Amino acid sequence: SQKIEQNSEALNIQEGKTATLTCNYTNYSPAYLQWYRQDPGRGPVFLLLIRENEKEKRKERLKVTFDTTLKQSLFHITASQPADSATYLCALDPRGSGYSTLTFGKGTMLLVSP
Amino acid sequence: DAGITQSPRHKVTETGTPVTLRCHQTENHRYMYWYRQDPGHGLRLIHYSYGVKDTDKGEVSDGYSVSRSKTEDFLLTLESATSSQTSVYFCAISESIGSGIQETQYFGPGTRLLVL
Repeated sequence: SQKIEQNSEALNIQEGKTATLTCNYTNYSPAYLQWYRQDPGRGPVFLLLIRENEKEKRKERLKVTFDTTLKQSLFHITASQPADSATYLCALDPRGSGYSTLTFGKGTMLLVSP
Repeated sequence: DAGITQSPRHKVTETGTPVTLRCHQTENHRYMYWYRQDPGHGLRLIHYSYGVKDTDKGEVSDGYSVSRSKTEDFLLTLESATSSQTSVYFCAISESIGSGIQETQYFGPGTRLLVL
């Protein structure tokens, strides 16, 4: 069956450290993978998109990697801050063509303590 | 929230009553989506639209219908609300790039629906 898996347990780290979140998928061949941030009581906000032919993408303190062999994406936040505390969702296009809708993982909560 | 509004933001209703949620966008984006978000399930697609009067079902469409008579409005209707439809409902929009590929989605603020 098709699955997108993100750590269900919250990730607790100290301010200044690098947070690494994992998104694994099975029985999909996505054309791209996206990461969103969601704060309590609000809608998700787009952060980064990485295509199947890209190994790595960066935006300020954020970095995403995409390994289509391992069927895994890693999302890194360097020099983390308490304001980075949120739930992070990964999403992919389930039909792998880019012409379809998105399927979301359940998200991982990140807690950054001062 | 990228020019997306949802109404109402909160609603309490009784089982068996019809409920309509409205999503309005000012971005003139082609694609619009309705999701529900529940603990333990994450975001799940209910219905989506790829143009005026063009809609399709998502993963959890049973018990829901949609309509899109104008580019800017996408309505989600629960014909006869049930307690299992208690959830947070999000609308999202996206634009196509090149020959129809959809990418980034922009989400509205959500509607909290409680069905008693």
